[in-house]
Amino acid sequence: DAGITQSPRHKVTETGTPVTLRCHQTENHRYMYWYRQDPGHGLRLIHYSYGVKDTDKGEVSDGYSVSRSKTEDFLLTLESATSSQTSVYFCAISDQGRLNEKLFFGSGTQLSVL
Amino acid sequence: SQQGEEDPQALSIQEGENATMNCSYKTSINNLQWYRQNSGRGLVHLILIRSNEREKHSGRLRVTLDTSKKSSSLLITASRAADTASYFCATADTGFQKLVFGTGTRLLVSP
Repeated sequence: DAGITQSPRHKVTETGTPVTLRCHQTENHRYMYWYRQDPGHGLRLIHYSYGVKDTDKGEVSDGYSVSRSKTEDFLLTLESATSSQTSVYFCAISDQGRLNEKLFFGSGTQLSVL
Repeated sequence: SQQGEEDPQALSIQEGENATMNCSYKTSINNLQWYRQNSGRGLVHLILIRSNEREKHSGRLRVTLDTSKKSSSLLITASRAADTASYFCATADTGFQKLVFGTGTRLLVSP
């Protein structure tokens, strides 16, 4: 998957607990993204980053925060997990001259919030 | 919403046949991209077509774009069982600030 590693691959947690998902890339790509995939909704953008310490909100950012302290790592944090955040989370990267072109995706993290 | 809508939602064909899936969108775009997702895996970028292009080929894939109708089609020729997957279109707005995915077409290719 184009040098992208997501961890963990699966996680079960309880409502109200904090959760951090990690995305690590070895491609030195500039742009990194977090998406969630839910049946009937396709993929929806949560947050994205256009460089170290440079991040911005996506379509469904409420309840999520991100950090990018190094080019290779992009962390997604659910401060207080809710059942509505049960989903499959995908990290993606791109390094074209423009944002949002030719994304490479990781294998995903299946998160269940009970 | 600029969300792409794929049609059909599901398609079942035999190996060797051609598969055609369509995508419609609502607002002006810079480009349209097609991705494939195998079960349990991440999406894989297949092809990108820009708003000033009408047709593009990549191997057995052919993509057309009609900006006047705000629609695109993906044709997979001589399908193989390995083409079984979900296919998504994604549209990038003219400001490049959003890449919006549709809900996908599930393709089943039977041997």
